[in-house]
Amino acid sequence: QQQVKQSPQSLIVQKGGISIINCAYENTAFDYFPWYQQFPGKGPALLIAIRPDVSEKKEGRFTISFNKSAKQFSLHIMDSQPGDSATYFCAARTSTGNQFYFGTGTSLTVIP
Amino acid sequence: GAGVSQSPRYKVAKRGQDVALRCDPISGHVSLFWYQQALGQGPEFLTYFQNEAQLDKSGLPSDRFFAERPEGSVSTLKIQRTQQEDSAVYLCASSLLQAGETGELFFGEGSRLTVL
Repeated sequence: QQQVKQSPQSLIVQKGGISIINCAYENTAFDYFPWYQQFPGKGPALLIAIRPDVSEKKEGRFTISFNKSAKQFSLHIMDSQPGDSATYFCAARTSTGNQFYFGTGTSLTVIP
Repeated sequence: GAGVSQSPRYKVAKRGQDVALRCDPISGHVSLFWYQQALGQGPEFLTYFQNEAQLDKSGLPSDRFFAERPEGSVSTLKIQRTQQEDSAVYLCASSLLQAGETGELFFGEGSRLTVL
């Protein structure tokens, strides 16, 4: 059973546009929600992360919106650039757990 | 280098062969994780080490998979009698902090295993 459900599977955005990727979870014990960016042939790299005690976190062009009651969180990429073209994974982890549960990934293509 | 290093980057094995994949974590990192990433999928947890202790191996798919980190630094993931369904990228990640603390995971570039 997929612990973290991610959508869409793929996304094409015009340069300068906003990219939005959504994730949902069921386990209320999750307390840490990172987003990872992965380029072909590379390992995932941490992009931005949030804890459920805040509803939004912004770092540069990247923003996480978190809705605790709906058990959903999303990544917004403002002013998307071709260099943002990559696969993005949401993830979640419990405070006592060892495992990070990853979504299935979203392949983002930003066209010039 | 300062990052997580994995070797080999690519491995082709015949079905039934044993393989060993190596991970050199960032120096001083307490936690080490192994993940399996199938094509087009997200990483799936295999096992976790805190220093030399393997605290969680619940994600290992069968007893053909074995991992060790004898001195709390380098780790090896061994797969015995490989099967075609073992074909995947095996990612190693390390973290400065212990599990349960929010430490960033640093991933290596992975070892791509293809079983023919």
